[in-house]
Amino acid sequence: GAGVSQSPRYKVAKRGQDVALRCDPISGHVSLFWYQQALGQGPEFLTYFQNEAQLDKSGLPSDRFFAERPEGSVSTLKIQRTQQEDSAVYLCASSYFQNIQYFGAGTRLSVL
Amino acid sequence: DQQVKQNSPSLSVQEGRISILNCDYTNSMFDYFLWYKKYPAEGPTFLISISSIKDKNEDGRFTVFLNKSAKHLSLHIVPSQPGDSAVYFCAARGGGADGLTFGKGTHLIIQP
Repeated sequence: GAGVSQSPRYKVAKRGQDVALRCDPISGHVSLFWYQQALGQGPEFLTYFQNEAQLDKSGLPSDRFFAERPEGSVSTLKIQRTQQEDSAVYLCASSYFQNIQYFGAGTRLSVL
Repeated sequence: DQQVKQNSPSLSVQEGRISILNCDYTNSMFDYFLWYKKYPAEGPTFLISISSIKDKNEDGRFTVFLNKSAKHLSLHIVPSQPGDSAVYFCAARGGGADGLTFGKGTHLIIQP
């Protein structure tokens, strides 16, 4: 596809469940970013990959959050033992190195 | 502390008039600024950007102005059209961060 693809679009989880969110970046884009957007806020940076290397994970809110991009293309953001405060839209963006970032439609996570 | 601030949560403008969206920042190390437009249930879409070495960038109906001494940028949309109704996010790159730093957004409403 031409754009960044994220799945699922919506995810409802019971508190304590593990979830996995997928991002398929634009083909050829070296850089991949994950952001968390709470209601009424702007996106907040979580983590950054250049190819398969995770160069920055300073924005991950706790050790329950884990991201990977094993082959330098598709990335997965995993949240273990979900809590209510994890409810948010999770956005993935890709870019050719540090140029303009292009965003996917996001995954809306609701933790009950 | 918010490094990128959009102090107007919403703005209402008549169709055909000029829309001016404002953004202030505090980190003088930011080197690149971007505006994104977001419709409900979609991801942010890149609109226009400006490097910190310039003071103006124009693309069709959209112009971004940067005042480095005031740490202020603005997005002008002329003329405003109904399809411009959306949430607009100001974002900054650099300042020691790998990801973009976003403001909270301004909801622009174009009235017929």
